[in-house]
Amino acid sequence: EMKVVESGGGLVQRGGSLRLSCAASGFTVSGSDINWVRQAPGKGLEWVSIIYSGGNTNYADSVKGRFTISRDNSKNTLYLQMNSLRAEDTAVYYCTRENADWAFDIWGQGTMVTVSS
Amino acid sequence: QLVLTQSPSASASLGAPVNLTCTLSSGHSTYSIAWYQQQPEKGPRYLMKVNSDGSHRKGDGTPDRLSGSSSGAERYLTISSLQSEDEADYYCQTWGTGIRVFGGGTKVTVL
Repeated sequence: EMKVVESGGGLVQRGGSLRLSCAASGFTVSGSDINWVRQAPGKGLEWVSIIYSGGNTNYADSVKGRFTISRDNSKNTLYLQMNSLRAEDTAVYYCTRENADWAFDIWGQGTMVTVSS
Repeated sequence: QLVLTQSPSASASLGAPVNLTCTLSSGHSTYSIAWYQQQPEKGPRYLMKVNSDGSHRKGDGTPDRLSGSSSGAERYLTISSLQSEDEADYYCQTWGTGIRVFGGGTKVTVL
């Protein structure tokens, strides 16, 4: 069974940092394009970042320069380093894999990040 | 700018059909999109990919009563016979150069 499990969320002060993890099983992070998607309380889904199987990365304008996506192939785990956090970064963060159709076919349960002001 | 527009809400009676629409912004009418369902307090679930020619490919476990179609810049998700478990938020999503974009979502209510 292919699955991802996010962890690392919590309460952090404005301007602080947090690192989220996404542990994958049933497939390899090195062979997949994987995204972070977030959802603020009561709001819709917002794409955050992608790391391609080749290692290239991209970010939404709202997080560019503050967030960094990376992976550890030996641990089959994806990370999202979040710096200079703002109140508007408060959200549930989901890790999701893109399939061959470029659709997000595997989602985790999410991890909640709360930035206090 | 690549934008997806969805109506905020839709409703229908149990067993009735319901159509959800996702509209691509000007200049992007040939793009494919994907549909996702998010039930209350759960993570999103992939439903299907819909192409500009109306063809669609469903994800594992997507019920037969769900189908996709296209017309111009509009992409549709049709539920042929609404069930109680279909009460959820539905999002469309597409792909640009280096970015992914979600629509604002449609909340489906079963009357």
